[in-house]
Amino acid sequence: GAGVSQSPSNKVTEKGKDVELRCDPISGHTALYWYRQSLGQGLEFLIYFQGNSAPDKSGLPSDRFSAERTGGSVSTLTIQRTQQEDSAVYLCASSLVQGLRYNEQFFGPGTRLTVL
Amino acid sequence: AQTVTQSQPEMSVQEAETVTLSCTYDTSENNYYLFWYKQPPSRQMILVIRQEAYKQQNATENRFSVNFQKAAKSFSLKISDSQLGDTAMYFCAFLLGGSEKLVFGKGTKLTVNP
Repeated sequence: GAGVSQSPSNKVTEKGKDVELRCDPISGHTALYWYRQSLGQGLEFLIYFQGNSAPDKSGLPSDRFSAERTGGSVSTLTIQRTQQEDSAVYLCASSLVQGLRYNEQFFGPGTRLTVL
Repeated sequence: AQTVTQSQPEMSVQEAETVTLSCTYDTSENNYYLFWYKQPPSRQMILVIRQEAYKQQNATENRFSVNFQKAAKSFSLKISDSQLGDTAMYFCAFLLGGSEKLVFGKGTKLTVNP
């Protein structure tokens, strides 16, 4: 079946502009995650959605960052007034929450954001 | 807070040889999981192997195996019979039981030379 898809693959923007990054999770997966991978760094958790529960936004670095998930499927990560330090690869993952000990996260190919 | 440390930014190995990537972590909890992810140039993170902390037996997946030392909080990855396709970034990750937030190390860039 289709995996997690993200668009665009690459995005170049000017400082101060807003950007929207899209994630399409695996069909049927109830949980969705956003991570940020800055140059030379590991992945940093940003936000987590699970079903109809309130999202866990504890990883969002500033109020310029927001995300929503419509209809329990597609998610959009929005960065307002982009700064150069926002340049990174933004990775999305999804998982099927089955009440198991842990839920394996399946990752998309990411969006590389470059802020000039 | 949990932390994951990968002390080897880059490593290289000859094709068909064995290489070990190091990872240490810090936690005061007992219920957790550890993972190794591979990230090729395509950027897609691929789960290589996982280890449940409550299991004493080291996990193995074909050419990949781990050396899990719980008391030392060490979780190394051994790749046997290295192949050119193993060239990638490798990330060690920690997941606290009941949590959904993976905590990643900074990665090790592995190059397999022909």
